[in-house]
Amino acid sequence: AQRVTQPEKLLSVFKGAPVELKCNYSYSGSPELFWYVQYSRQRLQLLLRHISRESIKGFTADLNKGETSFHLKKPFAQEEDSAMYYCALIDNQGGKLIFGQGTELSVKP
Amino acid sequence: DGGITQSPKYLFRKEGQNVTLSCEQNLNHDAMYWYRQDPGQGLRLIYYSQIVNDFQKGDIAEGYSVSREKKESFPLTVTSAQKNPTAFYLCASRPRRGRILLNTEAFFGQGTRLTVV
Repeated sequence: AQRVTQPEKLLSVFKGAPVELKCNYSYSGSPELFWYVQYSRQRLQLLLRHISRESIKGFTADLNKGETSFHLKKPFAQEEDSAMYYCALIDNQGGKLIFGQGTELSVKP
Repeated sequence: DGGITQSPKYLFRKEGQNVTLSCEQNLNHDAMYWYRQDPGQGLRLIYYSQIVNDFQKGDIAEGYSVSREKKESFPLTVTSAQKNPTAFYLCASRPRRGRILLNTEAFFGQGTRLTVV
C-alpha cells in the first residue's frame, strides 16, 4: 500500500541553521512526490515537486529511490520558514493523493 | 476570481445528526478530494473523485458519503455513523493533464471546522 511517513512532528532550529525535514515513502512504481506548506492562517499550498527539480524559497528536495526518501532541505533557515510541512505522493494509476503526518518547523530568532 | 471554496467555515452538529460540507471550485479541475486534518495525524484521505459521477473511498471513508453530480461540486456528508466527527475538513482539486492526472498541483480550500456538541 502507498504510504508517506514523516517521522518528526516538530523540528525546532535557530535562524541561519540548516534544515532537513524527512520524508519516506512506500510505493510500488515510479512515484510523483511533492512538498506542501501551510503557513499560519493560510491555505495549504504547493512548495515544490520532485519532477521539476526546482528550488523554491531556498528549499530543495531530492528523490532517492534507493532509500525511498524525499527529504526537504534548506541550508540557512529563516524565521518566515516557520510553518507546517507535508510530504505527499500521487498514485498515478488511481489518482489518489496521500499525505504524510506533517512536520511543524519552528525557526527561532 | 478562480478558486476553491468551502462552506461554512465553522459548523456545529448535534450528536446523531447528519451534516453536509460544501466544496465548490471554478477552476475546471477534474479531480477533487476530501481530507480530514487532526493534530499529529496529518491529512487523511476520506474520498476522492477523478471525474463526474465517479468517486472512490480513501483511507478513512467509514461514516462519510459523497456525491459528484457536477464537475465543480463535491459535497461531503458526515453521517451519524462517524464515531469521532469533530475535526478540520479540507477539500482539494487538481487538473488533469492529458488523459491522466500527472504531476499536477492540488489546490486547497480554507477548510471547515466541524464540532459535534
